[in-house]
Amino acid sequence: DTAVSQTPKYLVTQMGNDKSIKCEQNLGHDTMYWYKQDSKKFLKIMFSYNNKELIINETVPNRFSPKSPDKAHLNLHINSLELGDSAVYFCASSRLAGGLYNEQFFGPGTRLTVL
Amino acid sequence: DAKTTQPPSMDCAEGRAANLPCNHSTISGNEYVYWYRQIHSQGPQYIIHGLKNNETNEMASLIITEDRKSSTLILPHATLRDTAVYYCIVRDDYKLSFGAGTTVTVRA
Repeated sequence: DTAVSQTPKYLVTQMGNDKSIKCEQNLGHDTMYWYKQDSKKFLKIMFSYNNKELIINETVPNRFSPKSPDKAHLNLHINSLELGDSAVYFCASSRLAGGLYNEQFFGPGTRLTVL
Repeated sequence: DAKTTQPPSMDCAEGRAANLPCNHSTISGNEYVYWYRQIHSQGPQYIIHGLKNNETNEMASLIITEDRKSSTLILPHATLRDTAVYYCIVRDDYKLSFGAGTTVTVRA
């Protein structure tokens, strides 16, 4: 009964390939996020969806495309993978209440290695 | 573009209180102070947050100065499992902007 789950945990692929990372939350939250943690360990937000609508889109190459089929899922698809995409990707979710986005619950991360 | 300043690292003895400082001198009136931690190879974990009053939960206490320009996270009885990177974040919307954090090492 993991709250926020991601698949796969590890992903090793060649440059130029297209890959997807899946995220699911069973907390009943209405907002989901994708973060990237690079080799220097800095965590940066990439995208956020609220009720299946995109609300945050940071400066991320358009090779990255999030897709939210429903409130419980936010998948990340990456086209034409590059070496610099190697990182750990974290999914998170939260609930909007009273106009404030509450604490975010993070998944275990997906370590992507591009060779 | 983090709005907080934290020491890069600190050590703490097991069983003792760990006091983690954070400066946020440019904080505005509607911005909350959040604390998260990241244990090695795991996703960040929420600890506590506050606006201007001191807060306590089962994990920690948060002490915010009256002028709100700094705060201290207190882990009352540190254990080895508290070894992690601790992030102090100032937040007024849906984004969490993580800085470099403080690497806390709890030693037996």
